[in-house]
Amino acid sequence: AQSVTQLGSHVSVSEGALVLLRCNYSSSVPPYLFWYVQYPNQGLQLLLKYTSAATLVKGINGFEAEFKKSETSFHLTKPSAHMSDAAEYFCAVSDRISGGYNKLIFGAGTRLAVHP
Amino acid sequence: DGGITQSPKYLFRKEGQNVTLSCEQNLNHDAMYWYRQDPGQGLRLIYYSQIVNDFQKGDIAEGYSVSREKKESFPLTVTSAQKNPTAFYLCASSITGRTGELFFGEGSRLTVL
Repeated sequence: AQSVTQLGSHVSVSEGALVLLRCNYSSSVPPYLFWYVQYPNQGLQLLLKYTSAATLVKGINGFEAEFKKSETSFHLTKPSAHMSDAAEYFCAVSDRISGGYNKLIFGAGTRLAVHP
Repeated sequence: DGGITQSPKYLFRKEGQNVTLSCEQNLNHDAMYWYRQDPGQGLRLIYYSQIVNDFQKGDIAEGYSVSREKKESFPLTVTSAQKNPTAFYLCASSITGRTGELFFGEGSRLTVL
């Protein structure tokens, strides 16, 4: 069965510092992987997705993630944190269900705090 | 603009009462999903539906029920049998044959008093 582990439930960085949020997955087939962002009391917004094309995926708001099959990882990075990046981030892996559809299996989330 | 609308945004309920959360989408997506979110646990799948008049249980379906009478609508009922219903509920939809990307509504926060 597919699963996702996010290392670190809380991460705190200074404004302008590197952001690194860790995600490891378990999948019996080549995975589709996603990063979503959630602001307080809102739904989830897609940051980026890996669908077996380029291993370095660029997303919105300056975020990117690198798929490393040998490490079963899909870590999210941003070179310079901004105050507006403070939110909760979820890594997810796609699990195929019947009829050509998928369901997403989510990690527990990482709350990112950005301080001046 | 296309999207997913959930209502109400906030809901309070007394113990023993059923409550229904609304989810409507105008994205013309076939598949719809309900997830429950609790602090520190990520999102857990309650029910999903791939087509009108058909739906399947997810990982935590006990105490919940759904219907799919129209393609656009997928309401969730939290019944009195749900032992710990206080949570944030998220509705989502997706396109068949794609990578599994989900589009989410803004969520409904249910508090049981």
